[in-house]
This record gives sequence, C-alpha cells and structure tokens, in this order.
Amino acid sequence: DVKVTQSSRYLVKRTGEKVFLECVQDMDHENMFWYRQDPGLGLRLIYFSYDVKMKEKGDIPEGYSVSREKKERFSLILESASTNQTSMYLCASSSLAGVFGAFFGQGTRLTVV
Amino acid sequence: AQSVTQPDIHITVSEGASLELRCNYSYGATPYLFWYVQSPGQGLQLLLKYFSGDTLVQGIKGFEAEFKRSQSSFNLRKPSVHWSDAAEYFCAVGARGSNYKLTFGKGTLLTVNP
Repeated sequence: DVKVTQSSRYLVKRTGEKVFLECVQDMDHENMFWYRQDPGLGLRLIYFSYDVKMKEKGDIPEGYSVSREKKERFSLILESASTNQTSMYLCASSSLAGVFGAFFGQGTRLTVV
Repeated sequence: AQSVTQPDIHITVSEGASLELRCNYSYGATPYLFWYVQSPGQGLQLLLKYFSGDTLVQGIKGFEAEFKRSQSSFNLRKPSVHWSDAAEYFCAVGARGSNYKLTFGKGTLLTVNP
C-alpha cells in the first residue's frame, strides 16, 4: 500500500513563527502536493512538485513556500505564521501519469495563536 | 482551467436507502475523474476513478460512478447505504496538461439516519 506520512497530526504555533510541515511518501511517486482544507471551501492547492527541486504554485501560494530536496520528501513552509493560516493541511503524492489518483496523508491540523 | 461543482453541501439518507451524490466538472478535454471519501479527522481515501473506457466504474465499499460526457457529470451511487458510509465525499478532476494535479469540489457531507 502507498503510504504518505505527515510528521505531525496536530501543531500549535505562535503568530510570526516559521513553521515546517513535513511529508514523506514511500512509493517513488514523481508528483507531490500540498492542499489546505477549510470548512465549506473544500481542498485548495497550495503548491505541487513534479520532480526534485521543481515546484509550481497552486491556487493559494501566498504566505507559503515549499522544498523538495529528495524525491520522497516534500516540505511546506510558513515563513511567518498568521492566524488566517489556521487550517487542516493535507499532503498527497501521485505517479507522473496520475491515472491512479493521488494518495493522501492523514493531515496536519495547524492552529496559529 | 478545470473546475468541479458538487451542488449538494449536505445530504441525509436513511440506512438501507440508495444514494446518489452529484458532481459536475468543467474541463476542455477528457478528464481524469475521481471520488474520495474523508472520515472525520482523517485524510482522503480514493473510492474510484475514471480515465478511459467503460463509463461505469466500480470502486471500493460498494460504490460506483458513471461518467456522462454530454452532461459533464460523474455522479457517485450506492444502492444501499450503511451507517459507516457517513463521511464527507469529494469529487476531483485531474488535468492531463498540468502534471495531473487534482482540482477538488467543495465536498458533500453525508449523514446516515438509523
């Protein structure tokens, strides 16, 4: 089974802190994604990466950056956390062709106080 | 750009009743289409997918979906709902020309009454 592991289930951070969310997949997938999920808004794509060191902005990249130094690991960085970034963050991976769909981690619920 | 509409925010059905969740997509070519389910506090689990061939696709947990190109729809169905099906359901479209990134609908919350 594909496994996508997010480093934390719950995080509480202070406003202005630099926050790192880590995601690791074990299926040698080329594509990795970070989504943000908020009630009534569904999942919105923040960033995705289709290869090591390659990234593209999604629909809501402002306030976020990403890093992909190794194929299996994709990090989401909140440069200076703000309260409006309190949300559920979901990481996903897929093969390059994407025909099998994306596989998701369990999510990280981030609260910024 | 692709988009997905799930017209029903919340649906309530009785256990044993049939279920249909609606999904309409917008995309200029033949899309990849997916249904995911999310239980409270969990990540998303893939129920089924369509990318070519037979327009009626079978998935896990007894779900099926039918791709109708003329209606730009990919509705999810189950003939008899179980209490454990209560969850949020998301339809998604994958774009072949954009590294297959997925665009999701806003979800339909399913409540199952005993």
